[in-house]
Amino acid sequence: GAVVSQHPSRVICKSGTSVKIECRSLDFQATTMFWYRQFPKKSLMLMATSNEGSKATYEQGVEKDKFLINHASLTLSTLTVTSAHPEDSSFYICSALSGQGAEAFFGQGTRLTVV
Amino acid sequence: GENVEQHPSTLSVQEGDSAVIKCTYSDSASNYFPWYKQELGKRPQLIIDIRSNVGEKKDQRIAVTLNKTAKHFSLHITETQPEDSAVYFCAAIEYGNKLVFGAGTILRVKS
Repeated sequence: GAVVSQHPSRVICKSGTSVKIECRSLDFQATTMFWYRQFPKKSLMLMATSNEGSKATYEQGVEKDKFLINHASLTLSTLTVTSAHPEDSSFYICSALSGQGAEAFFGQGTRLTVV
Repeated sequence: GENVEQHPSTLSVQEGDSAVIKCTYSDSASNYFPWYKQELGKRPQLIIDIRSNVGEKKDQRIAVTLNKTAKHFSLHITETQPEDSAVYFCAAIEYGNKLVFGAGTILRVKS
């Protein structure tokens, strides 16, 4: 199947700094990618929909200025957690659809720890 | 928007027994229903999916059934094995191709 690669897999940062997470579709073009956040033993909560060449669409309650999303090409979306706080510590995971209404492929996920 | 409810939250079965996980959805326009298996710290892996024009789909020990009228779909795992132990998520796709996930079911297969 299609491959989605996410980096880094783990990152530890200090409070107040920013962290960038990359999500790449390796063998297909993805006009739309999705960013999820997952707390321990919880489900995947959609944060935003990343649209190539346009602004991301954020879910209710997600701060746009804190979670910056850029989808500059058909194979790359980035999520930047700005001014990170310990409560931002979580598992962040991206996904991309291989086609309209098709199977979603997930990146490996990024374990963010803010100290 | 779409709302997906999943039950049970935890399920323990003896090796060789069957396991059934049920989900309901709210948006009658949803037309794609995947099931994912997620192991600790790993990405979700698609194990089976079903579209709204089909009532049942089977892949070896795994099957999914869909009742569009009642807006519910179920995952059936037969002859469970210890390696089936994981968290399972159902999902429904809504307008804009957004996947909405159920809360998850922790499946434990005891040997």
